[in-house]
Amino acid sequence: DTEVTQTPKHLVMGMTNKKSLKCEQHMGHRAMYWYKQKAKKPPELMFVYSYEKLSINESVPSRFSPECPNSSLLNLHLHALQPEDSALYLCASSHTKGRTGDEKLFFGSGTQLSVL
Amino acid sequence: SQQGEEDPQALSIQEGENATMNCSYKTSINNLQWYRQNSGRGLVHLILIRSNEREKHSGRLRVTLDTSKKSSSLLITASRAADTASYFCATDARDTGGFKTIFGAGTRLFVKA
Repeated sequence: DTEVTQTPKHLVMGMTNKKSLKCEQHMGHRAMYWYKQKAKKPPELMFVYSYEKLSINESVPSRFSPECPNSSLLNLHLHALQPEDSALYLCASSHTKGRTGDEKLFFGSGTQLSVL
Repeated sequence: SQQGEEDPQALSIQEGENATMNCSYKTSINNLQWYRQNSGRGLVHLILIRSNEREKHSGRLRVTLDTSKKSSSLLITASRAADTASYFCATDARDTGGFKTIFGAGTRLFVKA
């Protein structure tokens, strides 16, 4: 199984809502990532988890709250989002990057989020 | 700031022609990767080239790396309509928390049948 599964595929939420994005992989990867992608732009890194611990936070606003409950699951909790947070949210996983960082990322298909 | 910047931003060619995309980066790297993204979907890894390699092939793909110029190119030979997608180069930047993969601006390729 070389898939990263993201749910839901589409999400519309109001600025006062609380919602969660989910990501799952069963490849035994111990590194998991959240990226945000605006239309016609490259993915921007948000968070990196390594061995279920948050290792990198790219100064993401606290209205985005990541969680890694176990080695297969990654969540992104959303609260009080703004319309400018509308984007494609991509989850990825990889083997942990050793000294040389030679590991490719496996991406899910993303959640298209619209904040009204 | 982005590690990789690409040109052209968009490229339109006829089926059967070759497509060349270029990527430049700013800092020293251990490797450089190329990914493909179909519209609104996730990215798919195409090829990785290490800093001590100059050229690598995979099927119709040819990647070159020039570390002295901090640049790489991706060549797709005999393009097909199904190659229509966005192509991103990516490099790994070392952070206090480990490596983070940073993507270039991307090239949108249109292959006309």
